[in-house]
Amino acid sequence: DTEVTQTPKHLVMGMTNKKSLKCEQHMGHRAMYWYKQKAKKPPELMFVYSYEKLSINESVPSRFSPECPNSSLLNLHLHALQPEDSALYLCASSHPGLAGGPDKNIQYFGAGTRLSVL
Amino acid sequence: SQQGEEDPQALSIQEGENATMNCSYKTSINNLQWYRQNSGRGLVHLILIRSNEREKHSGRLRVTLDTSKKSSSLLITASRAADTASYFCATVLNTGGFKTIFGAGTRLFVKA
Repeated sequence: DTEVTQTPKHLVMGMTNKKSLKCEQHMGHRAMYWYKQKAKKPPELMFVYSYEKLSINESVPSRFSPECPNSSLLNLHLHALQPEDSALYLCASSHPGLAGGPDKNIQYFGAGTRLSVL
Repeated sequence: SQQGEEDPQALSIQEGENATMNCSYKTSINNLQWYRQNSGRGLVHLILIRSNEREKHSGRLRVTLDTSKKSSSLLITASRAADTASYFCATVLNTGGFKTIFGAGTRLFVKA
């Protein structure tokens, strides 16, 4: 099983709503990532969790709140978003790899959640 | 410009032709990867080349890396309509961590 599952596939929310995006993998990967991707642009790294600890936060606004409850699950809690936050949100995971090996950087992506903020 | 710039931005070719995409980066890297993305979907890893490698092959893919010029190229030989997608290079900074920066991407269209 080499699948990363993201739910929901589509989400429409108002600026006062609170919603959550969910990402799940059962490949034993211990690094999980959130990316934001606008149309015709590359993915932009938001957060990285390594062994369930927040490893990277790319100065993301606090209206985005990540959570890693266990090694298989990654959430992104959304609150008071702006219309410019509308984008495709991608989750990815990677295997720890051998010590010092680059394979830990090979990422497996979910299909994404298409978010529209009205 | 940011790490991982690519050219061309868009490429249209006939089925059977070869497609070459280039990527340039700015800082010291641990490795460089290429990913493919079909419209509006997740990315799929294609190939990884380490900083001490110069060329790597995988099926119809050939990747080169020139660390002195901080550049890489992806060649897809004998292209097929199914190769139509966006292709991104991704660099992992040489800090031992997970920080991955994607290039702007090349949109490839292969006409049948």
